Amino acid sequence: QVTLKESGPGILQPSQTLSLTCSFSGFSLSTYGMCVGWIRQSSGKGLEWLANIWWNDDKYYNPSLKNRLTISKDTSNNQAFLKITNMDTADTATYYCARRLGAGWFAYWGQGTLVTVSS
Amino acid sequence: DTVLTQSPALAVSPGERVSISCRASEGVNSYMHWYQQKPGQQPKLLIYKASNLASGVPARFSGSGSGTDFTLTIDPVEADDTATYFCQQSWNDLMYTFGAGTKLELK
Repeated sequence: QVTLKESGPGILQPSQTLSLTCSFSGFSLSTYGMCVGWIRQSSGKGLEWLANIWWNDDKYYNPSLKNRLTISKDTSNNQAFLKITNMDTADTATYYCARRLGAGWFAYWGQGTLVTVSS
Repeated sequence: DTVLTQSPALAVSPGERVSISCRASEGVNSYMHWYQQKPGQQPKLLIYKASNLASGVPARFSGSGSGTDFTLTIDPVEADDTATYFCQQSWNDLMYTFGAGTKLELK
């Protein structure tokens, strides 16, 4: 059974760096072909794909946010991470991690973690 | 970026058939996927690669289309189908995009 769960700070101030953790079970990110992605959802911009990380450590980022994003993984502990620098109120959203399958669909999603950026 | 356009909302009666459309600003072959999201929940995969039913999804749901025009059909609609439905393209594997969602309400 595949499960994913996100964790984050809940609230942070503008200009701070957001650190998110995705803890998953039911698969390994060291297995050929595995991929985990991060997607966020805000009332203003709907669903927005942020980044993917593959079993071989290949990383892909949304070009519009690329200079602020860093995705990484810890295969020993079945975790993936996302850092976003220079957070702004516009980055307030629910952040999801999800397992990518096949030709790019997300078959399994975490419950999401709400991140509020406020001074 | 490939922009996906969906109608904002639809209202149908239980037992009817409903079609939810998604139009891509450029061709995405069959790399279109559909999700259902209920309030307070994460998105749930319904259809992948335009017409393939995800595991555990009732056969009342179906998908069609290729290129730029895609349709998610629910037939017959049930009360539990009240939700927002999103399309997502992965033709450009370097930049996935989602539609803004169609909110389905039951009369």
